[in-house]
Amino acid sequence: DIQMTQSPSTLSASVGDRVTISCRASQSISVWLAWYQQKPGKAPKLLIYKASSLESGVPSRFSGSGSGTEFTLTISCLQPDDFATYYCQQYNTYSRAFGQGTKVEMK
Amino acid sequence: EVQLVESGGGLVQPGGSLRLSCAASGFTFSSYEMNWVRQAPGKGLEWVSYISGTSNTIYYADSVKGRFTISRDNAKNSLILQMNSLRADDTAVYYCARDRNGVTFDFWGQGTLVTVSS
Repeated sequence: DIQMTQSPSTLSASVGDRVTISCRASQSISVWLAWYQQKPGKAPKLLIYKASSLESGVPSRFSGSGSGTEFTLTISCLQPDDFATYYCQQYNTYSRAFGQGTKVEMK
Repeated sequence: EVQLVESGGGLVQPGGSLRLSCAASGFTFSSYEMNWVRQAPGKGLEWVSYISGTSNTIYYADSVKGRFTISRDNAKNSLILQMNSLRADDTAVYYCARDRNGVTFDFWGQGTLVTVSS
């Protein structure tokens, strides 16, 4: 099975910061990677699919890049609403493995 | 408006059974693959099971294989997860998620909590 590893596990940042989260797959997944945002007590929300495609309604400050085994989620200018936990997920195979999550907290 | 509403969660003893449902509305249910995903308290997301639109293809995570059964009733716009031989480590919020082709999980329900404890 494909394993997904995110880094860092926790990230402390301030409003206005540029934030980058990394995700690594244990084998190539081409561009079949998604990013989700989850807030406490809520369901995850899809932000990015196919590594770099922005889901409808998601602010343009979110962007994704990468292919193969290395991927990145970038928030260009962190807003108060962006403090949350972020997960990557591969969908190259049926076992849609998630990364362990990156919590973005207020510095 | 797309809506997914899970139900059926609750407290069950180890070794017991529970049946979760996910009621779908606002889209052509039979045209979409569906999944169950769970999240243990304070932990990350874990994919549980997948079912194709016609129910011809089904997959399970190794952690639930042989104990859980996914099914769907397209006439009733309903997704089911039958959970047997429940263990303490099955305790989690269970979400149903719509699978958009080429996109993965684009809509999620609000989740239903399953607690396995004596």
